Amino acid sequence: AQSVTQLGSHVSVSEGALVLLRCNYSSSVPPYLFWYVQYPNQGLQLLLKYTSAATLVKGINGFEAEFKKSETSFHLTKPSAHMSDAAEYFCAVGGDSSYKLIFGSGTRLLVRP
Amino acid sequence: GAVVSQHPSWVICKSGTSVKIECRSLDFQATTMFWYRQFPKQSLMLMATSNEGSKATYEQGVEKDKFLINHASLTLSTLTVTSAHPEDSSFYICSARDWEGSRSSYNEQFFGPGTRLTVL
Repeated sequence: AQSVTQLGSHVSVSEGALVLLRCNYSSSVPPYLFWYVQYPNQGLQLLLKYTSAATLVKGINGFEAEFKKSETSFHLTKPSAHMSDAAEYFCAVGGDSSYKLIFGSGTRLLVRP
Repeated sequence: GAVVSQHPSWVICKSGTSVKIECRSLDFQATTMFWYRQFPKQSLMLMATSNEGSKATYEQGVEKDKFLINHASLTLSTLTVTSAHPEDSSFYICSARDWEGSRSSYNEQFFGPGTRLTVL
């Protein structure tokens, strides 16, 4: 079985500040982990993915995430927030034979001017 | 590459009518398509997994007779909401998995832009 927990339904940062969105997972198989971003009334856009290669994964728009097996975490970071980063972010886990993705509850990122 | 489209992007219908939503993979063949439902300010809930040429597999609690899924080709899956009621109003999102994908493709799914259904 697989599950994802995203700590913090809302995260607010100032423009230029560090962004940290937390994701912890549970998986009975080696996980594949994903971060998606969703803007209002739109579908999901892939930010980055962990595929059992490098534990530090770099994605689009300056985001990166580090896979930490010992902590079962895959937190998303960005050194400097931009106003355009304001959106909903979803962490997801996959990797079993069903090819399903299990999504976390999402974190809404607010960026203050 | 890996573009998925949905049509319509939004639809308003009267209670009791049926609505069909199309999901197309535009530049790849999709062995598997997934249908999700998203309520306001909530996460995506998987409704069903659709494999080309076979019956869809529904998640627990999803009424298969109400949400009819057809995956007739490697590029098209449809979701029909039958006898829609106001509680069916939601944002429906589809995703597709590449035909050539295997576990080595990391379970990646490509998402459509979503369809907003409002039932009056």
